Amino acid sequence: DTGVSQDPRHKITKRGQNVTFRCDPISEHNRLYWYRQTLGQGPEFLTYFQNEAQLEKSRLLSDRFSAERPKGSFSTLEIQRTEQGDSAMYLCASSLDGAFNQPQHFGDGTRLSIL
Amino acid sequence: AQSVTQLGSHVSVSEGALVLLRCNYSSSVPPYLFWYVQYPNQGLQLLLKYTTGATLVKGINGFEAEFKKSETSFHLTKPSAHMSDAAEYFCAVNFGGTSYGKLTFGQGTILTVHP
Repeated sequence: DTGVSQDPRHKITKRGQNVTFRCDPISEHNRLYWYRQTLGQGPEFLTYFQNEAQLEKSRLLSDRFSAERPKGSFSTLEIQRTEQGDSAMYLCASSLDGAFNQPQHFGDGTRLSIL
Repeated sequence: AQSVTQLGSHVSVSEGALVLLRCNYSSSVPPYLFWYVQYPNQGLQLLLKYTTGATLVKGINGFEAEFKKSETSFHLTKPSAHMSDAAEYFCAVNFGGTSYGKLTFGQGTILTVHP
């Protein structure tokens, strides 16, 4: 169990640029989640994948955000035309299939700073 | 609406003192409950979970939590605080149903431990 891996750990970019983050879940985990955490707040759900299928998206996920999990393994989260309000920690989590009481295992996150 | 509330954004204790971090949720059915800890610039680490069965749950690092359905609470305790317990703690809830296992987090409680 190598844990959930996220890349990059930090991303600094200018407003209006596009950014892409990658998440590698624990290998046997079919479920993958993205959350966003702003300073002083708890994580907020963005989207969920069961294998390669994106099954739920939060209304927080505007049309500038897109997430993929093409082969049911790693996932990418892209933000187009970044805005100041996108500055946050983006967390990825994965869990085993089965009942939804399976705990989610989190990566260390990607911290995005918009200049 | 389903929600999670952590009472007290900051808790300060002396080393060796009791730690009590409060979490209440709002739901008409018993949910799945989790506590996570977050150290600076890191992701979330699972401390413990309640799904079914015994209402007193033991976790890592000497923490435990008790699910009280009548009070819709899941408070986290540790008999004797250690300096290494200083971190931010999040209560998280999976409300089940069509939530696909997504977690709803409280706003977090920062625990400070004084020597």
